Amino acid sequence: NAGVMQNPRHLVRRRGQEARLRCSPMKGHSHVYWYRQLPEEGLKFMVYLQKENIIDESGMPKERFSAEFPKEGPSILRIQQVVRGDSAAYFCASHRGLAGNTIYFGEGSWLTVV
Amino acid sequence: GIQVEQSPPDLILQEGANSTLRCNFSDSVNNLQWFHQNPWGQLINLFYIPSGTKQNGRLSATTVATERYSLLYISSSQTTDSGVYFCAVDSGGSNYKLTFGKGTLLTVNP
Repeated sequence: NAGVMQNPRHLVRRRGQEARLRCSPMKGHSHVYWYRQLPEEGLKFMVYLQKENIIDESGMPKERFSAEFPKEGPSILRIQQVVRGDSAAYFCASHRGLAGNTIYFGEGSWLTVV
Repeated sequence: GIQVEQSPPDLILQEGANSTLRCNFSDSVNNLQWFHQNPWGQLINLFYIPSGTKQNGRLSATTVATERYSLLYISSSQTTDSGVYFCAVDSGGSNYKLTFGKGTLLTVNP
């Protein structure tokens, strides 16, 4: 019974490069969330997606960040032209979509921009 | 939006001691979860507890929704309990978006 799977676990990018983070939700879960944890801070919501739809992107930076959850395959968080301030842990979470259900988190992807 | 405050911010214990962590929230919630982030950064679900009391081994949690707080109890603490404990609540509606507190950093010394 696999949990939420994220990869890569660790990613190093030079300033200006692109970062792509992948997330496969738990089996049977159709709702995916991305959260960011900056150093010494709690997790902050970024975006909420269902298959082929962005439901809520109120926490996404306006530029350089995008997310998708295609009909087939994992959800992708894409950061273009990374800057040092993008260095953080990015967590994906999934949910079955029914009231009263736990939201489960993956192990996170640690992005370091050098 | 909803505010989540956790206390204390830091806690140092000797192995075997008990502790209580508190989470206050500013509005009614449909979802409240406690998480443990271990020193390797992994975020582990502890409890889904929008109301009532639950127990899992040495850990238990109580949420009094009408008074807008939740408590996490750790008994007979072990060094492996070290890490950051987060409380997270949803902000209402149907999107299950969680708002996290800033966490309590627990250090358990041998």
